[in-house]
Amino acid sequence: GNSVTQMEGPVTLSEEAFLTINCTYTATGYPSLFWYVQYPGEGLQLLLKATKADDKGSNKGFEATYRKETTSFHLEKGSVQVSDSAVYFCALFAPVDSNYQLIWGAGTKLIIKP
Amino acid sequence: NAGVTQTPKFQVLKTGQSMTLQCAQDMNHEYMSWYRQDPGMGLRLIHYSVGAGITDQGEVPNGYNVSRSTTEDFPLRLLSAAPSQTSVYFCASSWSAGGTDTQYFGPGTRLTVL
Repeated sequence: GNSVTQMEGPVTLSEEAFLTINCTYTATGYPSLFWYVQYPGEGLQLLLKATKADDKGSNKGFEATYRKETTSFHLEKGSVQVSDSAVYFCALFAPVDSNYQLIWGAGTKLIIKP
Repeated sequence: NAGVTQTPKFQVLKTGQSMTLQCAQDMNHEYMSWYRQDPGMGLRLIHYSVGAGITDQGEVPNGYNVSRSTTEDFPLRLLSAAPSQTSVYFCASSWSAGGTDTQYFGPGTRLTVL
């Protein structure tokens, strides 16, 4: 079946460090891929998305490239800030029993220290 | 434009009690859904609706009921609360159930069942 696997957290980095959060997926066909972010005490919000192979989604300095050959959608940022501290969710959109549903990873908590 | 609103923000119930979690959106979205978020498990879909008068079950529907009498409102009812239903509940909406549509989330309801 369809699934999303994210690296376990928490991930703790110093400000201005390079960030990578790994996400790999299993899906039939050609799913759409998403990264959502959840700041403390808030609901989730879309960070970026990619709808076909080799697409690169980007927003707020974050990037992720849809790699079909490695079934991956890793999230990267060149220089993180304290305000990036949040939980990051990778998700895919694919058919499940003829219904289209978002399939979510477990989330990766990111802690940025000044 | 309030987006997606949820009430209450916090709730404590005793086992066997019933209650309704409220969700409303003012974006005229057709698709609405309810998720529960548990530590280490990401988001799991409870119920969803593709329009007024139409609802369907998600991954974990047992113990919950929904209805969609208007486009704006999508309440979630717990019929007889159990400790296993202790969780954070999120309502989300989007223009459609299409694969690339952004999901807009409410701020969540933290429910504790004693």
